[in-house]
Amino acid sequence: IAGITQAPTSQILAAGRRMTLRCTQDMRHNAMYWYRQDLGLGLRLIHYSNTAGTTGKGEVPDGYSVSRANTDDFPLTLASAVPSQTSVYFCASSTGTGGNTEAFFGQGTRLTVV
Amino acid sequence: GQNIDQPTEMTATEGAIVQINCTYQTSGFNGLFWYQQHAGEAPTFLSYNVLDGLEEKGRFSSFLSRSKGYSYLLLKELQMKDSASYLCAVMDSNYQLIWGAGTKLIIKP
Repeated sequence: IAGITQAPTSQILAAGRRMTLRCTQDMRHNAMYWYRQDLGLGLRLIHYSNTAGTTGKGEVPDGYSVSRANTDDFPLTLASAVPSQTSVYFCASSTGTGGNTEAFFGQGTRLTVV
Repeated sequence: GQNIDQPTEMTATEGAIVQINCTYQTSGFNGLFWYQQHAGEAPTFLSYNVLDGLEEKGRFSSFLSRSKGYSYLLLKELQMKDSASYLCAVMDSNYQLIWGAGTKLIIKP
C-alpha cells in the first residue's frame, strides 16, 4: 500500500509558467488537503476537499486552484507561477474532518520558481 | 487572529528528558495535535488531546490545559533518532488545523 503519493518530488519552474502538482491516495480517505511549508512559518492550508466533488479555500488560496473529480486524486494547479510560490508543498488526507482525525502526508514537492 | 506559539529550537542530551511547549489562541477548539517531522520528510502523527490531562504513549507524552491554552510534548529517554521538528496544531471551530511553526529539537550525544 503506497498511502499518499505526490509528484514530482522537486521542480524548478520559470515564472509565468503553469504547473500541476499531483497527489494520489489509495486509503479511500474522504478529506484531502494541500499545504505549503515555508521556513519559519507553520504549515498553511491552500485548498481542501471534504469529499469527492467538493473543494474549499484555505488560508492562502490565491494563485492556486484544485479539483476533486474522484476520491483518490487531488491535483493542485499554479496557473501562472510567481517567485513567492517557491515552497515545499504537502498533500495530506484524512478519513474525515472531525476532531480526532489523523492526517497522513505525502512526501512533499519542493518547488522553486525562478 | 489565530496563533500558535512554540519555541524555534531546543537542544537536549541523549538519554535525557525534554519538554516542548505550545501555547495557542484560536477561534474554537476541537483538539490539539502533535506531529514529528524529520528534515526533508513528511510530518507524521504523534498524539491528539481534546480533554485536559496527560496522554502517554511509550516514550512520548502530551499534556493539555484548555483553560490556559497550553500543551506540552514530553519526550523521555531521548534517542538520536528523536532529532526532528515537532509541530503543534490546533483544530479550530471550523475543523481546520492551525499549525505552529515547529520546534527543531537537536539531540547531542
